[in-house]
Amino acid sequence: GAVVSQHPSWVICKSGTSVKIECRSLDFQATTMFWYRQFPKQSLMLMATSNEGSKATYEQGVEKDKFLINHASLTLSTLTVTSAHPEDSSFYICSARTGVDQPQHFGDGTRLSIL
Amino acid sequence: DQQVKQNSPSLSVQEGRISILNCDYTNSMFDYFLWYKKYPAEGPTFLISISSIKDKNEDGRFTVFLNKSAKHLSLHIVPSQPGDSAVYFCAAIGAGGTSYGKLTFGQGTILTVHP
Repeated sequence: GAVVSQHPSWVICKSGTSVKIECRSLDFQATTMFWYRQFPKQSLMLMATSNEGSKATYEQGVEKDKFLINHASLTLSTLTVTSAHPEDSSFYICSARTGVDQPQHFGDGTRLSIL
Repeated sequence: DQQVKQNSPSLSVQEGRISILNCDYTNSMFDYFLWYKKYPAEGPTFLISISSIKDKNEDGRFTVFLNKSAKHLSLHIVPSQPGDSAVYFCAAIGAGGTSYGKLTFGQGTILTVHP
């Protein structure tokens, strides 16, 4: 149980393009989903927390107009990187949990490469 | 400011021996700790967790020890198997304030178990 699916797993696109990444909880309802970013040889850094039906809470230093998060249902959250540039190239990964006292379960991540 | 630290970037162990992965934290608001295992190109997989009211939690070959006074936790794997070779992340969740409910990760330790 507790499977989180993330799609796509790899994206290569031109600078200026907007890219949408989907995160789905397949066998459970996720009250909260999280979006992380990982640079090479560094830890996962939390970007934002999204609760179903409400606006996402962004961590300090994360541009909310750049990284649009939508959590439209209890099983789906999306991250849209708007007008992506090479510095946005990174590994983006989502997680989901059913409650505050439950562990987060992670998707397999999306490798984003902006040319 | 790295609130969760894994000071050993890598660890090499012989099959059948014990693997000990260490983690230190600085935020006294953390009250729940987790270990995740990550293979290349996959998302982190939840391994084991421990609440701050306990000092030990065991699950099969995996045991997590927590020393609150030292703000230190460790993951013991006994006996180690080649399939355990992966990156291990320590993570902590805050009980309140701005860190409430959010996972903060360490930098990870690469474990290699030799046959």
